Amino acid sequence: AQKVTQAQTEISVVEKEDVTLDCVYETRDTTYYLFWYKQPPSGELVFLIRRNSFDEQNEISGRYSWNFQKSTSSFNFTITASQVVDSAVYFCALSEGSNYKLTFGKGTLLTVNP
Amino acid sequence: DGGITQSPKYLFRKEGQNVTLSCEQNLNHDAMYWYRQDPGQGLRLIYYSQIVNDFQKGDIAEGYSVSREKKESFPLTVTSAQKNPTAFYLCASSIAGVEYFGPGTRLTVT
Repeated sequence: AQKVTQAQTEISVVEKEDVTLDCVYETRDTTYYLFWYKQPPSGELVFLIRRNSFDEQNEISGRYSWNFQKSTSSFNFTITASQVVDSAVYFCALSEGSNYKLTFGKGTLLTVNP
Repeated sequence: DGGITQSPKYLFRKEGQNVTLSCEQNLNHDAMYWYRQDPGQGLRLIYYSQIVNDFQKGDIAEGYSVSREKKESFPLTVTSAQKNPTAFYLCASSIAGVEYFGPGTRLTVT
């Protein structure tokens, strides 16, 4: 069975600090997809990124970067120079093969203080 | 504007009443999903539908029912059999394996 663990329940940083959100996953499939979503206080989940299991290249998008390491079953998310608008709950999720159902972690609440 | 709409944003019901949550999308996505979110928890899948007139139970389907008569619409009924219905309900639709979410409905049952 697939499982996603986000061990950090809450993180609090001061603006401009860098912060890394951890995500560890479990799956028996060789083909799978990993996701990050952002949930601001309004409640709607916003899609940030999807990676497939065959692509371990790190990705950077502006202040966001993602580090995918199959050897440690991790897909960590780093925000560089955090801003108050980054305050949200961040979810990591996993889907296996052609089954597009998502399994979510419990989320990490990030608070960025001015 | 293309997107997913859920109405209403807040819903209040008395215990013992059935209530239907609306979800509409104009993205032409085939698949649609319903999730439940409780405080401090991740999202849990209630039902999903990959095509019109077909749907499958998710991990926590008991006490819920759905229909998919149109591609654009996937309403969720929370029945009186659902023991703890108070929660935040999120609808999603997907294309090419990526799910996009609506704004959610916060249901309170007293």
